[in-house]
Amino acid sequence: GAVVSQHPSRVICKSGTSVKIECRSLDFQATTMFWYRQFPKQSLMLMATSNEGSKATYEQGVEKDKFLINHASLTLSTLTVTSAHPEDSSFYICSASWGNGNQPQHFGDGTRLSIL
Amino acid sequence: AQSVTQLDSQVPVFEEAPVELRCNYSSSVSVYLFWYVQYPNQGLQLLLKYLSGSTLVKGINGFEAEFNKSQTSFHLRKPSVHISDTAEYFCAVSRLRNKLSFGAGTTVTVRA
Repeated sequence: GAVVSQHPSRVICKSGTSVKIECRSLDFQATTMFWYRQFPKQSLMLMATSNEGSKATYEQGVEKDKFLINHASLTLSTLTVTSAHPEDSSFYICSASWGNGNQPQHFGDGTRLSIL
Repeated sequence: AQSVTQLDSQVPVFEEAPVELRCNYSSSVSVYLFWYVQYPNQGLQLLLKYLSGSTLVKGINGFEAEFNKSQTSFHLRKPSVHISDTAEYFCAVSRLRNKLSFGAGTTVTVRA
């Protein structure tokens, strides 16, 4: 149980394009979804937290106009990297959970984004 | 606020030997504790969690961890590792709203 599907697993695109990444909880209702960015050989950096039906809460230093997050339902959240540039290349990981603190986050398999 | 320190960035170990990955946290309030494993180019998989109750927690793949409140530690152990345990391991804590703070990670390399 508690499966999170993230799509696509890898995307390569030209500078200036926008890229959408989907995160779905397949067998549970995710009250909260999280988006992380991971640089090579480093830990996960939380970008934003989203609750279904409300605006995402972004971490300090994360541009909300650059990284658009939508959490339209209890099973789907999307991250759109707008006007992507090479410095946006990274590994993006989503996670989902329910409850208010004692439920673990369940992670997707990540999306490797490469901007040329 | 809480922070997590993983004391070892890299741990090489021989197959069938025991391994311990150290994790210390700082928080002024009670927290929930987790260990996750990440295989190359994949997301994170939950190994085990401590929420309350028994301080010795057993997880998947033969891993266990012990919560020590006085030492604010949550070290991960496995008595006998396999080649397939080669991965990155992350310790994490959360308090409210499921928000996790991760340690920097420990790379475990198991050699035959």
